[in-house]
Amino acid sequence: QVQLQQSGPGLVKPSQTLSLTCAISGDSVSSNSAAWNWIRQSPSRGLEWLGRTYYRSKWYNEYAVFVKSRITINPDTSKNQFSLQLNSVTPEDTAFYYCANYHFDHWGQGSLVTVSS
Amino acid sequence: QAVVTQEPSLTVSPGGTVTLTCGSSTGVVTSGHYPYWFQQKPGQAPRTLIYDTSTKHSWTPARFSGSLLGGKAALTLSGAQPEDEAEYYCLLSYSGTKVFGGGTKLAVL
Repeated sequence: QVQLQQSGPGLVKPSQTLSLTCAISGDSVSSNSAAWNWIRQSPSRGLEWLGRTYYRSKWYNEYAVFVKSRITINPDTSKNQFSLQLNSVTPEDTAFYYCANYHFDHWGQGSLVTVSS
Repeated sequence: QAVVTQEPSLTVSPGGTVTLTCGSSTGVVTSGHYPYWFQQKPGQAPRTLIYDTSTKHSWTPARFSGSLLGGKAALTLSGAQPEDEAEYYCLLSYSGTKVFGGGTKLAVL
């Protein structure tokens, strides 16, 4: 049974970097048949797919167009987890952030991240 | 970025049938967009019902089905139950990126 456990700060100042981690149990971040997604949701912007990372003999990342210049998703094979970094945040980045697996059949518990000074 | 469109709201009678659709600003939705359908109830994370157009998860009730219809992805609910009242989102894939629709609020009345 795959389980995803999110961690990271719930408050980030404007212009700083939002960082979240998703720890995986029951699967491997470097599995050749897996992929690992970040999604966010806010009342004003709805559900937004942010990006994913996956391993197919080498690592690949795919990002949403609207955050492509600010986002990095990194796998950490030593800890079997993956992370989200979103740079230069503004209050518009305030949202619930979720990690999820390949077919979105397993989700993290969600993290409310507020961007405020 | 492509825009994915869904009906903002729909209503179905208990026991009735309703079809939710998911369109793309880039044109016809095909199996190559690998359509997903999610159900979300208040206070909960979204739950996948359908992936790759029509594939169900083990927990997906048999009354839900996915298809391609009239150039769009479609989610059909046959025999609506009160517990099906929820927000439904589709997700389409485009050459290395994915985009959610704005969601359909489904009322069972």
